[in-house]
Amino acid sequence: KAGVTQTPRYLIKTRGQQVTLSCSPISGHRSVSWYQQTPGQGLQFLFEYFSETQRNKGNFPGRFSGRQFSNSRSEMNVSTLELGDSALYLCASSLVTPNTEAFFGQGTRLTVV
Amino acid sequence: SQQGEEDPQALSIQEGENATMNCSYKTSINNLQWYRQNSGRGLVHLILIRSNEREKHSGRLRVTLDTSKKSSSLLITASRAADTASYFCATDVPYAGNNRKLIWGLGTSLAVNP
Repeated sequence: KAGVTQTPRYLIKTRGQQVTLSCSPISGHRSVSWYQQTPGQGLQFLFEYFSETQRNKGNFPGRFSGRQFSNSRSEMNVSTLELGDSALYLCASSLVTPNTEAFFGQGTRLTVV
Repeated sequence: SQQGEEDPQALSIQEGENATMNCSYKTSINNLQWYRQNSGRGLVHLILIRSNEREKHSGRLRVTLDTSKKSSSLLITASRAADTASYFCATDVPYAGNNRKLIWGLGTSLAVNP
């Protein structure tokens, strides 16, 4: 069974630009969660999607958005990038809920210059 | 704010020794999970312990949960260099009626020296 696939693995963007990250969950998994990980803040929850609906949302500004498609694949978008958005963005897929077990992708390393 | 707080922040031991890391939390939980993350990569689920359980084992891992002290510990026995990683706890917390959220700690960085 294929694992969680995140693309791209690395990305360099300029301040003010926007970026879209993609996540393909494990086949059959309906829940996809997104996290931002930085050395100082640890793992910060962005949002969770289940069956194309946002089920939970963290405390991030509206520049961060996401969506989930009917095949459970998910994308997250960050508009008007700031230097502080530089981080490892992790996607996690779960059968129904991440609250019992989540399978993580390798992450997308975003650098904003 | 993060509910789960791991301690120590960093731990360095010799191969073969045991490693113990702790996670404290502030509110009642449904369950608590431990994850491992190798440098700059995704997290791997290690073990889940439910709020009504006190101890669980998985291979060289032993997890305990003390709900009265709101704390959990992860013990790795007979450590190996391959255990070098960061370890995170995540608490499943009820809130606002029937909702639940997962709160992550900042992690313990474990270095196992050969």
